[in-house]
Amino acid sequence: EAGVAQSPRYKIIEKRQSVAFWCNPISGHATLYWYQQILGQGPKLLIQFQNNGVVDDSQLPKDRFSAERLKGVDSTLKIQPAKLEDSAVYLCASSRGATQPQHFGDGTRLSIL
Amino acid sequence: AQSVTQLDSHVSVSEGTPVLLRCNYSSSYSPSLFWYVQHPNKGLQLLLKYTSAATLVKGINGFEAEFKKSETSFHLTKPSAHMSDAAEYFCVVSDTGFQKLVFGTGTRLLVSP
Repeated sequence: EAGVAQSPRYKIIEKRQSVAFWCNPISGHATLYWYQQILGQGPKLLIQFQNNGVVDDSQLPKDRFSAERLKGVDSTLKIQPAKLEDSAVYLCASSRGATQPQHFGDGTRLSIL
Repeated sequence: AQSVTQLDSHVSVSEGTPVLLRCNYSSSYSPSLFWYVQHPNKGLQLLLKYTSAATLVKGINGFEAEFKKSETSFHLTKPSAHMSDAAEYFCVVSDTGFQKLVFGTGTRLLVSP
């Protein structure tokens, strides 16, 4: 089966600009996650969707980050405006359900100048 | 709150020698524990999981881990390292099965010929 697809793979922007990342989960996977992985750290959960509803966004900086999964399939994560500390790899993961193993995409590496 | 501590940021071994990556955890409940591997510029891949069944867990690629409640440890081992094992390894804990994964800071495994 095809894995979790993410794009772009790399993105370089200047601070205060906006950026968006896209994730296409594995077909049939109802649960979708976005993680932030800062260099030298483990991934940190930003938001979890179950179908098109938000299950957990407690660690999402909502003043600048937003995410949506309108039709319960693809998802986008947006940052507006970006700060230097947002430089990280953004990972998307999906699972058949919340009690099933997560499958990760290769991530989007974001660099803020 | 749950957390994991990976005791070594880097581990260097020679090809064909044993691998030991150390992890201690903290959890208020009966935890689920995982090891994930991340190759450069790739997403995370599940190596193995402990979910309150057998305390010795076998995973993919010859890796295994032992859950020791008395020591709150979940160390990852492999009898003989291969060059392809060079990667970043993350110990992960969850109080809710496969959801709300809490990652350690990672251990980089270096394998020399």
